[in-house]
Amino acid sequence: EVQLVESGGGLVQPGGSLRLSCVGSGIGLSSYWMHWVRQDPAKGLVWVARINRDGSIMDYGDTVKGRFTISRDNAKNTVFLQMNSLTTEDTAVYYCARDHSTSTFVPFNWFAPWGQGTLVTVSS
Amino acid sequence: EIVMTHSPATLSVSPGERATLSCRASESLDNKLAWYQQKPGLAPRLLIYAKSTRATGVPARFSGSGTETEFTLTISSLQPEDFAMYFCQQYNSWPYTFGQGTKLEIK
Repeated sequence: EVQLVESGGGLVQPGGSLRLSCVGSGIGLSSYWMHWVRQDPAKGLVWVARINRDGSIMDYGDTVKGRFTISRDNAKNTVFLQMNSLTTEDTAVYYCARDHSTSTFVPFNWFAPWGQGTLVTVSS
Repeated sequence: EIVMTHSPATLSVSPGERATLSCRASESLDNKLAWYQQKPGLAPRLLIYAKSTRATGVPARFSGSGTETEFTLTISSLQPEDFAMYFCQQYNSWPYTFGQGTKLEIK
């Protein structure tokens, strides 16, 4: 079965850190741009970050820039999201999602498939 | 930031009938519009990209159309599995933004 599997979510105090992982199962990720998108009831779906196929280009949403870092290990078919200086506003389900672009420089920016999501709760 | 607005927020339709969901963009999108379906507890699933291109495996009863700022997802004959949340997403301008969604419920 083709799927993306996220892990690493959980409960963390404000100011803390978490590292999310996204592994491809039955699906190769190394040729594609990859994205993280989060969802919470108040703000809905919000694009967080993206990384190109070789990890040389990384972009971030304004609300996470400077605090979150996206990376990848193509040998392990895995994408990561390191989240630092977390605030209660970061509480959400975090999804990884594959882009369909195999270009080094130009993503398509629509997403399929998505992982099942991992819940991050920031609370004291 | 481009704002995406769905209408209606909730749509009640009977199985077998046609459903028409709308999404408006605050700026022109050059056809860079996608639609996703999401069921409770599950991840979004891509239905449509480039305004009107069905994703792989999406049934033909789903179709997308629209202008530069007004977009429509039509489900021609609703099946029980189609009752879900539907979101539009623009990818013409960074940051890529989603609408708040339309809940399609059984009438």
